[in-house]
Amino acid sequence: DAGITQSPRYKITETGRQVTLMCHQTWSHSYMFWYRQDLGHGLRLIYYSAAADITDKGEVPDGYVVSRSKTENFPLTLESATRSQTSVYFCASRRAQPGPVNSGIQYFGAGTRLSVL
Amino acid sequence: SQQGEEDPQALSIQEGENATMNCSYKTSINNLQWYRQNSGRGLVHLILIRSNEREKHSGRLRVTLDTSKKSSSLLITASRAADTASYFCATDFKNAGGTSYGKLTFGQGTILTVHP
Repeated sequence: DAGITQSPRYKITETGRQVTLMCHQTWSHSYMFWYRQDLGHGLRLIYYSAAADITDKGEVPDGYVVSRSKTENFPLTLESATRSQTSVYFCASRRAQPGPVNSGIQYFGAGTRLSVL
Repeated sequence: SQQGEEDPQALSIQEGENATMNCSYKTSINNLQWYRQNSGRGLVHLILIRSNEREKHSGRLRVTLDTSKKSSSLLITASRAADTASYFCATDFKNAGGTSYGKLTFGQGTILTVHP
């Protein structure tokens, strides 16, 4: 049971370069999320997806692009990396539950530590 | 911002003591969840409490929720050195229709250090 995996675990890149962080889950969860974690800010939601081909902005989407052509994959692309995007990035997933209250537990990957020089 | 606020930011205790962390939020919720993060790792879910519940237990964890005060607390009893971690509350806010947005909003976390 692989669960949710992120790659790479560590990445160093230069300002202006395009970078793609990968996220793959084996549970067929409907929802997937991308967060960034910075000291003093906790976890902030970048983008999320309720299903394949459905994505929505979170709290800090600027400078990021996502796609979800397959349920199991949710890549995050930094189109032109900036130093302010140096952070730890976490991917998460959760089931969609039926009923009027769509609540659920999120399962997190191990994170990608990105440094933009 | 709807983001929850946690206090204290850091807590240092001895093994065997109890640890209490608090979380406050601003708007109506469907549920509130607590997560744990060990250094350098992803978050792990601990416990979920729904808006119509007031208290919930799981092993050494006790969570309370006061929707009138928009606050929650996490109590870890008889702490162990292995409990050293960051603890986050996360809220599932109600949308205008009274259901979920499907996403969580995380607080900034409490860093708990338990000394052997």
